[in-house]
Amino acid sequence: SQQGEEDPQALSIQEGENATMNCSYKTSINNLQWYRQNSGRGLVHLILIRSNEREKHSGRLRVTLDTSKKSSSLLITASRAADTASYFCATVGSSGYSTLTFGKGTMLLVSP
Amino acid sequence: EPEVTQTPSHQVTQMGQEVILRCVPISNHLYFYWYRQILGQKVEFLVSFYNNEISEKSEIFDDQFSVERPDGSNFTLKIRSTKLEDSAMYFCASSGTGNVLADTQYFGPGTRLTVL
Repeated sequence: SQQGEEDPQALSIQEGENATMNCSYKTSINNLQWYRQNSGRGLVHLILIRSNEREKHSGRLRVTLDTSKKSSSLLITASRAADTASYFCATVGSSGYSTLTFGKGTMLLVSP
Repeated sequence: EPEVTQTPSHQVTQMGQEVILRCVPISNHLYFYWYRQILGQKVEFLVSFYNNEISEKSEIFDDQFSVERPDGSNFTLKIRSTKLEDSAMYFCASSGTGNVLADTQYFGPGTRLTVL
């Protein structure tokens, strides 16, 4: 089954710096989504990028998708302490089912 | 902004007991999901539900699990006889006013199930 796998597993940066997280998957997809999870809380949807898109922006977020490499990246610019959370990529396959397959996530710590 | 709600936020139960986790999806959504996350692990898909029937389920979703939409608003997950390994955070999600494959799934805050 396809799996989103993020790297790094953990990332520690200072406020104002940019944070880049990567995700790889194994099989063809319909779309890829990024979610944020604050410790012990629910999943907040950040952005969805379709398989025919290469780049998408939303506020301080920039997502790229390279279907030839089966990879995606999430860039958070000018990070803030409030961005501290775990970030997950999740894929929807092209098989016709809408199931999300999640990766293990990157834990981002932004220090003031 | 509409959101998915879940109750209870935390459920503690004894092994072998039945539990029902409740969700109220976003009102005009058509597709409903349950996922779970064991502490420190990935979020895993359990089941999807559309038009009053299961559309897909994972290997985790065995005969101990069932889902129901008893009325026009609630969506429930029942675990018939809980095991220690069922301890996890259970998330409900909903989506779908159009192309289900391309729609965002909106997640609830989760129910933390602890089986003793």
